[in-house]
Amino acid sequence: DAGVTQSPTHLIKTRGQHVTLRCSPISGHKSVSWYQQVLGQGPQFIFQYYEKEERGRGNFPDRFSARQFPNYSSELNVNALLLGDSALYLCASSLDFRTNQPQHFGDGTRLSIL
Amino acid sequence: AQSVTQLGSHVSVSEGALVLLRCNYSSSVPPYLFWYVQYPNQGLQLLLKYTTGATLVKGINGFEAEFKKSETSFHLTKPSAHMSDAAEYFCAVSDEGDKIIFGKGTRLHILP
Repeated sequence: DAGVTQSPTHLIKTRGQHVTLRCSPISGHKSVSWYQQVLGQGPQFIFQYYEKEERGRGNFPDRFSARQFPNYSSELNVNALLLGDSALYLCASSLDFRTNQPQHFGDGTRLSIL
Repeated sequence: AQSVTQLGSHVSVSEGALVLLRCNYSSSVPPYLFWYVQYPNQGLQLLLKYTTGATLVKGINGFEAEFKKSETSFHLTKPSAHMSDAAEYFCAVSDEGDKIIFGKGTRLHILP
């Protein structure tokens, strides 16, 4: 069975641009979460979606937004990119966020801002 | 607010020696606790998870962790280190939904 897949794997953008990152959860998983991992740090929670609704939001500016589609895939959008947005963006999926099912992580999208 | 503190950003052990990675948590409610491993250029892989019940949790690759409420600790151990264990290890805590709070990580180096 396919795991969590993220695209693209690498991306280079310049300051002020916009970026869209994509995530396909494991088949049957309805919950998707996004994390930002800056080099040398642990992942930080950005968003959690379940059944196409936002269920949780971390301490990130409004430049960050996300959505979940009817097939449970998800997009993370970041506007007006800053140098500090350079990071590995991780997507995780689980069966149901309400019962603390194990989360499965993708390999991430490495975003570099020039 | 929940938080996790991992003691030691880098730990080095000899191949075959005991691995001990330390983690202390802060939570106002009974927590869910996790250890994840991250290999270079990869995502996170769940090693083990504590929810309720038995305080000694066995995970994959020979790792285990013990939940000690009195010490608010959840240290990760492995009796005998292998070269393939070299990676970044993250302790994490959660009490609701899928929001997981991660520690800053400990890089484990295995010496031949």
